[in-house]
Amino acid sequence: AQSVAQPEDQVNVAEGNPLTVKCTYSVSGNPYLFWYVQYPNRGLQFLLKYITGDNLVKGSYGFEAEFNKSQTSFHLKKPSALVSDSALYFCAVRPNYGQNFVFGPGTRLSVLP
Amino acid sequence: DGGITQSPKYLFRKEGQNVTLSCEQNLNHDAMYWYRQDPGQGLRLIYYSQIVNDFQKGDIAEGYSVSREKKESFPLTVTSAQKNPTAFYLCASSVQGTGFEQYFGPGTRLTVT
Repeated sequence: AQSVAQPEDQVNVAEGNPLTVKCTYSVSGNPYLFWYVQYPNRGLQFLLKYITGDNLVKGSYGFEAEFNKSQTSFHLKKPSALVSDSALYFCAVRPNYGQNFVFGPGTRLSVLP
Repeated sequence: DGGITQSPKYLFRKEGQNVTLSCEQNLNHDAMYWYRQDPGQGLRLIYYSQIVNDFQKGDIAEGYSVSREKKESFPLTVTSAQKNPTAFYLCASSVQGTGFEQYFGPGTRLTVT
């Protein structure tokens, strides 16, 4: 079965420090990988995606993610966290043969001033 | 939240009543989706539609119904058969094809008492 794991429910970082939000997946084939962010009582906003090519993907608001095929991971990173980055982050996988996304349970990021 | 609108933002209903949630998009996307979001469970797919007049059940379709009479519109009806309808409902759309991200609406929070 296809699945996405985000092993940390909550990540706390100090403003200005680097942040990492972890994602691992279990999907057969070569999936497409996505990160979304959700602010309270809002819809999800697309941050970045990996389709093919360079394993380091750059996205919106200074975020980037590193695809690691051998570890089936797609961790989200940012070199210097901002308080305004505090939100709920979702990793999603889309199998390359199908249409439906599989979402992880989400990780709540808190950036402390 | 892109070019997707959902209305209303908050909806209150009595148990036993059907209720319809609106989703409209002006992105010219063929594919549209409905998700349910509960705390700690990520997003679960209710229904999706890849083309007008066609739709498929997702993972948790029981107690829900949809229609896709126009490309721009994908309303969701929560019927009285849905055992636990109180949740945050998100509509999304995307370009056809597996490499494309979804765009989400702002969501509708439904409370049934």
